[in-house]
Amino acid sequence: KQEVTQIPAALSVPEGENLVLNCSFTDSAIYNLQWFRQDPGKGLTSLLLIQSSQREQTSGRLNASLDKSSGRSTLYIAASQPGDSATYLCAVSSDSGYSTLTFGKGTMLLVSP
Amino acid sequence: DTAVSQTPKYLVTQMGNDKSIKCEQNLGHDTMYWYKQDSKKFLKIMFSYNNKELIINETVPNRFSPKSPDKAHLNLHINSLELGDSAVYFCASSQVRTEKQYFGPGTRLTVT
Repeated sequence: KQEVTQIPAALSVPEGENLVLNCSFTDSAIYNLQWFRQDPGKGLTSLLLIQSSQREQTSGRLNASLDKSSGRSTLYIAASQPGDSATYLCAVSSDSGYSTLTFGKGTMLLVSP
Repeated sequence: DTAVSQTPKYLVTQMGNDKSIKCEQNLGHDTMYWYKQDSKKFLKIMFSYNNKELIINETVPNRFSPKSPDKAHLNLHINSLELGDSAVYFCASSQVRTEKQYFGPGTRLTVT
């Protein structure tokens, strides 16, 4: 059974800092890995999707890496801004069957001005 | 334009009642999902439908019955609601397994 762990559970940084969020998963047989953002009381917004054959994906100030063999992914946020404050969720898609996602519990990020 | 929409956004009801949550996607996707986010914010898959056929049913009580009248809609009907059903329910869709899943805004269900 796939399990996804995210560290840290919460993170508070001053504006402008670069930061790294970590995600690990127990079963390396995945199709892809997605990073989502969830704002309080809102739905999930997909930030980046990395296919199992890829090593990283970039979008603006965000960079996600994937090391499938070791079961790890990181989300790097450059020059953090208060608007980045949200919960970041990592989710992996199983290698078998249809692409249901297994989620971690998230990292709650607070960027202070 | 809303990609994945859910109604209602909030639902407050008493134990024992039956309720439905509706989901619609205008992305042309062939796969739709229902997820449950509990009070500890943990998201877990409940159902997956592909082209109107049930693909995944993850240890969900049979009081929960999804229905997909067409590829664009996946509704969730819940019978005999219990206190433990209180949660936020998210609908999502994707085109194929390798593509991003797009989530609706969620329906907050409160059972009193």
